[in-house]
Amino acid sequence: AQSVTQLDSQVPVFEEAPVELRCNYSSSVSVYLFWYVQYPNQGLQLLLKYLSGSTLVESINGFEAEFNKSQTSFHLRKPSVHISDTAEYFCAVSVGGGADGLTFGKGTHLIIQP
Amino acid sequence: GAVVSQHPSRVICKSGTSVKIECRSLDFQATTMFWYRQFPKQSLMLMATSNEGSKATYEQGVEKDKFLINHASLTLSTLTVTSAHPEDSSFYICSAREVLDYGYTFGSGTRLTVV
Repeated sequence: AQSVTQLDSQVPVFEEAPVELRCNYSSSVSVYLFWYVQYPNQGLQLLLKYLSGSTLVESINGFEAEFNKSQTSFHLRKPSVHISDTAEYFCAVSVGGGADGLTFGKGTHLIIQP
Repeated sequence: GAVVSQHPSRVICKSGTSVKIECRSLDFQATTMFWYRQFPKQSLMLMATSNEGSKATYEQGVEKDKFLINHASLTLSTLTVTSAHPEDSSFYICSAREVLDYGYTFGSGTRLTVV
């Protein structure tokens, strides 16, 4: 079975500073990787996903993540954060060609300080 | 983009009653839908996988007689929490996978409170 580890439960960052949210996964088969963002009392919004091809994937709002197979990681980065980025971020993995649901990490609460 | 509508967003029910939550894919067909449960300040846990026209597949530890799932069409799946108790209070989120695209779209969630 696969698993996802998000080591940081909470990450405080000053506004306009860079941030990295860490995600490591464990799986015996090939995986698809996702980052989702959740605002209070809302569902999840897809930030970006890695399925195949280029290991660096980008979102429209400035986030990017790089798939590193040797380190089994999929860390999320943003060069300059804004107050509006304050939210819970979940890393997730899928196997089985899409027939299976997602396995989520425990989430990282990104706190942007002015 | 793909949109999943989940209703209701909030529900309060008395202990012992049943509650139905609907999950609809608005602009695409979803042969597979997923139901998750999220406790406060915790991650999402997959409860079951719902396939159109067949029985749902439940994750280990999830009571299928308490959490009834019906996926009667390619755009609608329902989760019924039967004989609800306070420990069933949680945030329930559905997700649908579009047939032609490898993406999981999530509903906005349902906050269930059992009193």
